[in-house]
Formats: sequence, structure tokens, C-alpha cells
Amino acid sequence: DTGVSQNPRHKITKRGQNVTFRCDPISEHNRLYWYRQTLGQGPEFLTYFQNEAQLEKSRLLSDRFSAERPKGSFSTLEIQRTEQGDSAMYLCASSLSLDPTGSSYNEQFFGPGTRLTVL
Amino acid sequence: KNQVEQSPQSLIILEGKNCTLQCNYTVSPFSNLRWYKQDTGRGPVSLTIMTFSENTKSNGRYTATLDADTKQSSLHITASQLSDSASYICVVRSGGYNKLIFGAGTRLAVHP
Repeated sequence: DTGVSQNPRHKITKRGQNVTFRCDPISEHNRLYWYRQTLGQGPEFLTYFQNEAQLEKSRLLSDRFSAERPKGSFSTLEIQRTEQGDSAMYLCASSLSLDPTGSSYNEQFFGPGTRLTVL
Repeated sequence: KNQVEQSPQSLIILEGKNCTLQCNYTVSPFSNLRWYKQDTGRGPVSLTIMTFSENTKSNGRYTATLDADTKQSSLHITASQLSDSASYICVVRSGGYNKLIFGAGTRLAVHP
């Protein structure tokens, strides 16, 4: 399978614990995005990387959230001191863009998501 | 504020029937609009993409329309199948931004 993969698919944790999710994008894609989706809503943008550089972060990404893409390939999203409000589906997407202005119509391909439940 | 609104919120139809989903957006500048299908527990998958100059685009039984003047789009599904049961999300890309503006989706259930 050469699509976007995410691990784990499901995570149940107790409030206050730290969790880390991993995303493996499509191999040649240089851009990687993280989204959060709550039940009955569309995904909300969290952050994105161009290669290893984190170029934009949403205000939704509080200090407890950190994302990395150290080698420009896979990415991790860590949530520290989880709260019940963090319960959601965390989606990763990747795209290939050869246009530095970002104006090309490159499609984002989504992974299956990691569903987080904070008890 | 950039927003994408979809209607109806949910829809139930019988297998073989047609349906139309609506999307209104207030996004500026407008770059393109995509309709995604999201099966339960899965990530969204793109069905169609439409740019400012395109009015209609088809992908099998899915036909999307775009009216850039009224900032409305629709997704028409013909001869529905049980496998069409999913959420359909309208997504607008604004200018050169890399983040997308998502609607809340329409949850479609096709019953036999």
C-alpha cells in the first residue's frame, strides 16, 4: 500500500497522559499536514510541513501539542497532558508541490486517521 | 471570515434513487473547490476538483457543479448504491494558502 499511513489507528488514554501519533506520507510528497476532526464536523487544520520545516501552525495547536518531521519524511504529533477535549480523530495528509508559492492545485491525500479517546 | 456551509446535515435515501448535496462558501480569494467522500473511520478521498472557470465536472455517478458568482456548489449522485453511504465534505482552497477550509459534511445513508 503506497498511500498515507498512520499509527496507531486507535488510542485510548487517561487524562493527563502523553500520547504520540505517527504519520508516514506518500514517499515522494514534500508536504505533510495534520488535521483534527471531531464527530460530525469537517477536519480542522493544525499544522503543515514543507520537507522538514514546520511552516504554519493553527491557533488550535496549543502549547501541549508539538509536531515534528525531522528528516522530511515521517512526522509525529505529540499531545502532552491530554484532556478530554482532545478526544478526536487526528488526520494526516500529504501532497507534492513543486511550486514554492503554494498556488498549485496539488491534491492532499489523507491517511485513515488516529482516533484518540481521552478518559 | 472564510466559511463553508453544507446542507442538508444528513440525508437518507433508498438505493437506486438520486440525491443532491449543497455547499455554500464565503471564501476569498477562491482557488478551487473539492468534494471529498469520507467513509466511517477513514480519511477523506477526493471525488472532484473544480476551479473558478469550471461549471460542471463528472466522475462516474458523481456530478459536481460550481457557480462562482453565487458561491455555491452541488454534488449530484445518480442511481445511488449502498456503498455511497458516507459523509460528503465540501472543501475550498483559498488563494495560495496550503490549508483547506472544510465544511462539516453531509452524512448520506443509502438504504436497501
